Amino acid sequence: GAVVSQHPSWVICKSGTSVKIECRSLDFQATTMFWYRQFPKQSLMLMATSNEGSKATYEQGVEKDKFLINHASLTLSTLTVTSAHPEDSSFYICSAKPWASGAYEQYFGPGTRLTVT
Amino acid sequence: QKEVEQDPGPLSVPEGAIVSLNCTYSNSAFQYFMWYRQYSRKGPELLMYTYSSGNKEDGRFTAQVDKSSKYISLFIRDSQPSDSATYLCAMTQAAGNKLTFGGGTRVLVKP
Repeated sequence: GAVVSQHPSWVICKSGTSVKIECRSLDFQATTMFWYRQFPKQSLMLMATSNEGSKATYEQGVEKDKFLINHASLTLSTLTVTSAHPEDSSFYICSAKPWASGAYEQYFGPGTRLTVT
Repeated sequence: QKEVEQDPGPLSVPEGAIVSLNCTYSNSAFQYFMWYRQYSRKGPELLMYTYSSGNKEDGRFTAQVDKSSKYISLFIRDSQPSDSATYLCAMTQAAGNKLTFGGGTRVLVKP
């Protein structure tokens, strides 16, 4: 149980275009989902926290107009990178927290590798 | 100074050896301590979690937390080549959901 999927797993886009990444909890309802960014050989950096039906909370330094997050249902959150630039190339990982779960419980997706050319 | 410090490695050990990993932290409010394993280009997988201080064992894995020293450890016994991965420690406060990660330690288990 507790499976989280991400789609696509790898995407290449041209500079200036927008890219949408989906994060789905397959066998549980997730009231909270998190979006992380990971550069090569570095740790995960939290970008934002999204709660179903409400606006996402962004970490300091993350541009909310550039990284649009929508948590429209208890099983789906999306991250849209708008007007992507090469410096946005990174590994984006989401995690989902089940309803009424312990503080430690977060289940991670497999990640999406974004390359902006 | 980062909130959570972790030696990046790489840590290379022969198959069958004990792998010893650790993290130090500065925020005394952390209550839950987790260890994740991440294979290359994959999402992290939760290995173990510990609440407050103490030891916890699960198969070949043992997690230790010393809150007085702000130091946590993960030991992997009888290491296998399949244990080769990056190991991330993570922590969270009791009332919060946000995880704070260490930088990760890359482990190589050689046959």
